[in-house]
Amino acid sequence: EPEVTQTPSHQVTQMGQEVILRCVPISNHLYFYWYRQILGQKVEFLVSFYNNEISEKSEIFDDQFSVERPDGSNFTLKIRSTKLEDSAMYFCASRGQGNGYTFGSGTRLTVV
Amino acid sequence: GQSLEQPSEVTAVEGAIVQINCTYQTSGFYGLSWYQQHDGGAPTFLSYNALDGLEETGRFSSFLSRSDSYGYLLLQELQMKDSASYFCAVAFSGGYNKLIFGAGTRLAVHP
Repeated sequence: EPEVTQTPSHQVTQMGQEVILRCVPISNHLYFYWYRQILGQKVEFLVSFYNNEISEKSEIFDDQFSVERPDGSNFTLKIRSTKLEDSAMYFCASRGQGNGYTFGSGTRLTVV
Repeated sequence: GQSLEQPSEVTAVEGAIVQINCTYQTSGFYGLSWYQQHDGGAPTFLSYNALDGLEETGRFSSFLSRSDSYGYLLLQELQMKDSASYFCAVAFSGGYNKLIFGAGTRLAVHP
């Protein structure tokens, strides 16, 4: 069964450092998303991406965040200057023509 | 604003039936989804309702009433492996079907 792949599974970084979270969506999917989940809380929408551009972003997705699809297969989330409150599980998801998302297994980001 | 309400916890025994309700207040509603998440895992898609009525997929069914802004997930013949968190999520017609999740219902299935 096709799956969304995320790397790394766990990233520890110092406050103020840049991190790049990587995702390989399902190959024939058209819509890509990043969500995050702070431990014990609900899943929160960050950004949606379609046709090589951002279609919508949430209030969380401020100027410190950016997304790219550099080569037609990878989909990355960059946080320029991490803060303690950025510590969370970050999920990449993709969707084809149907209504169900396929989520990756996530990257646990710990900012120290 | 947007809000989804679902119970925080539900407990049931193996073989039983459990219903997890979800009420929502949103604008731009497109459909209601349900996702399962085991501890430390990714959300897994269970069902999607765009129209009123019941959708059945094996042991799981999902219901939607758009006029009542209400839906539920019905789990039958519960198994221990069904112990997980269940999230309702509203899909929006804008934002290319972005999902706004509820806080989740933690289901504990006991022998």
